[in-house]
Amino acid sequence: NAGVTQTPKFQVLKTGQSMTLQCAQDMNHEYMSWYRQDPGMGLRLIHYSVGAGITDQGEVPNGYNVSRSTTEDFPLRLLSAAPSQTSVYFCASSYNGFYEQYFGPGTRLTVT
Amino acid sequence: SQQGEEDPQALSIQEGENATMNCSYKTSINNLQWYRQNSGRGLVHLILIRSNEREKHSGRLRVTLDTSKKSSSLLITASRAADTASYFCATAQETSGSRLTFGEGTQLTVNP
Repeated sequence: NAGVTQTPKFQVLKTGQSMTLQCAQDMNHEYMSWYRQDPGMGLRLIHYSVGAGITDQGEVPNGYNVSRSTTEDFPLRLLSAAPSQTSVYFCASSYNGFYEQYFGPGTRLTVT
Repeated sequence: SQQGEEDPQALSIQEGENATMNCSYKTSINNLQWYRQNSGRGLVHLILIRSNEREKHSGRLRVTLDTSKKSSSLLITASRAADTASYFCATAQETSGSRLTFGEGTQLTVNP
């Protein structure tokens, strides 16, 4: 199993550009989530999904959109990139949001 | 605001010594988890302790939970240079729905 995969690994955007961060898992997990990690801070939840067709906001959802059309994929869209969105983004999946999370390797995003 | 707060923020020890990290939280939890993050990588789940458990072991890891004090500790015995990483606690709160809240982490350095 590949586990949780994320693409791209690195991305540089200009302010105002949009892009989609891809996340896929092959463990048939119902629960998937997106976090951002800023220097010296823990992970903050952006959006999460408890199954295909169901998404909800986390702690810091502004400026991001998600959708979940399949169990495997959970893309994160930045609508109009801002320098404050410079961060490392992690996707995670699990059987249940309360239990062990499996993390992807992360996408390092810089917005100039 | 972060539910979990780790202490200390940074810890530097010699190989063979024990490392203890602490986590405090504010509201009732379903379980508490510890994760490790090597530099530039995703988080890896280490251990989960449920609210009705007081102590749990996994290899060189020992986790304790004191729900009356709303605190947990992670002990790594006989540390190795390969244990150098950031360690995060994450809480599954009873009122938060299907999501975890992460603390800011402890940076552990094990010197050879």
